[in-house]
Amino acid sequence: GAVVSQHPSWVICKSGTSVKIECRSLDFQATTMFWYRQFPKQSLMLMATSNEGSKATYEQGVEKDKFLINHASLTLSTLTVTSAHPEDSSFYICSPKQDAFFGQGTRLTVV
Amino acid sequence: GDSVTQMEGPVTLSEEAFLTINCTYTATGYPSLFWYVQYPGEGLQLLLKATKADDKGSNKGFEATYRKETTSFHLEKGSVQVSDSAVYFCALSDQGGTGGFKTIFGAGTRLFVKA
Repeated sequence: GAVVSQHPSWVICKSGTSVKIECRSLDFQATTMFWYRQFPKQSLMLMATSNEGSKATYEQGVEKDKFLINHASLTLSTLTVTSAHPEDSSFYICSPKQDAFFGQGTRLTVV
Repeated sequence: GDSVTQMEGPVTLSEEAFLTINCTYTATGYPSLFWYVQYPGEGLQLLLKATKADDKGSNKGFEATYRKETTSFHLEKGSVQVSDSAVYFCALSDQGGTGGFKTIFGAGTRLFVKA
C-alpha cells in the first residue's frame, strides 16, 4: 500500500520561531492532503485540507496565517507553524487519503 | 451534524480477556465506518472498515459489524494480547456539506493489556 512519510517525527522549538513539517506521499498521488492536530488525550481534529497547486481550505477557528500550508506537488505537502507558542504544542498528522493512509505524526513541543 | 461517540477509557484487561469497545454514530447520510489504532508515539493505522449496513470488518483478530438499526460499530476481539495496548479510534466518513468527504473521529479509547 501507499506509504506516507512525515518529517520530523518530533521537534522542540523556542517560542516565536517557525517550524516546518513535511508530509510525503511516496507511492500515492496526493492531489489532496488532510492535516490534523491531536491534543493530549483528545481525538484528531481536522485543521485544513491542502490541494495540489491551489490554496488550502481551513476549518473554522484555524488561523491560516499561523498555519501555512503548501502543496506544490503530488508527493509533498508542508505545514509551517509560524511564530509558535506553547499552546501550539501538539501532535500533527497528515493524510493523503483519510480512510486509509496517515503519516506517523510530528510531535511539536514549544518551550 | 455527524458525530461519533465511543466509550471512555482507559480500559484495562488481562491478557487473553475478551475486548469490547463501544462506538455509536449519528449521520445524515450513509457513512462508511472505521476503526483506527494508534500505538504510542505513532500515527494512526487503519484497523478495519465497513462500508454498508450489516458489513463486518475484520483484521488481526479484531472485528466490528455495521449496525444501522442501532447506529453502532462496536469493536471486539476474543483474546487480547499485551501488544494490543494502544488507543483505538472509531470514525465515520460521510459526504460533507461542501460536497467532499469528511472523516469524523471519536475521542479515542485507550486500552491497557496486562501480562
